[in-house]
Amino acid sequence: KAGVTQTPRYLIKTRGQQVTLSCSPISGHRSVSWYQQTPGQGLQFLFEYFSETQRNKGNFPGRFSGRQFSNSRSEMNVSTLELGDSALYLCASSPAGGAGDSTDTQYFGPGTRLTVL
Amino acid sequence: AQSVTQPDIHITVSEGASLELRCNYSYGATPYLFWYVQSPGQGLQLLLKYFSGDTLVQGIKGFEAEFKRSQSSFNLRKPSVHWSDAAEYFCAVGAGGSYIPTFGRGTSLIVHP
Repeated sequence: KAGVTQTPRYLIKTRGQQVTLSCSPISGHRSVSWYQQTPGQGLQFLFEYFSETQRNKGNFPGRFSGRQFSNSRSEMNVSTLELGDSALYLCASSPAGGAGDSTDTQYFGPGTRLTVL
Repeated sequence: AQSVTQPDIHITVSEGASLELRCNYSYGATPYLFWYVQSPGQGLQLLLKYFSGDTLVQGIKGFEAEFKRSQSSFNLRKPSVHWSDAAEYFCAVGAGGSYIPTFGRGTSLIVHP
């Protein structure tokens, strides 16, 4: 069974641009979560989607948004990029309950490394 | 608001030695607690989690963690460390009801042969 895939793996953008990152979960998984990892702030939870609905949202500005499609693939978008948005963006999938479920296990993708110049 | 402290930024152990990584949390009610491992070759991986019940939780790769409410701790242990365990370890706490986790800053484990 294929793992979680994220595209692109590396991305360079300039301030003010917008970016869209994609995550394809493991086949059959319906929950997708997004995380941001930076040297300064560490690992932070962005949001979680389940069955095309946002189920949980972390403390990020409205420039960060996401969506999930009927095939469970998810995208996250960052508008008006700032230097501080440079980070590794991780996606995780789980069968249904997500990390907040006592029986589910999350599986992480390799991440997208975003650099904002 | 919930918070997590991992007091040790780096820990060095010899291969075959036992390991304990410390994690202290702050949260008013019973928390959800997690340990993750991140290595260059394997990416980020969930090791184990505690939601309720038995306070000693078994995870993958021979790791276990013990929830101690009186000490607000959730320390990760392994009886015998392998060189492949060298990685960054993150503890996280989530609020009950909805999962919005807060992560610790991580502990880097170095394993000497």
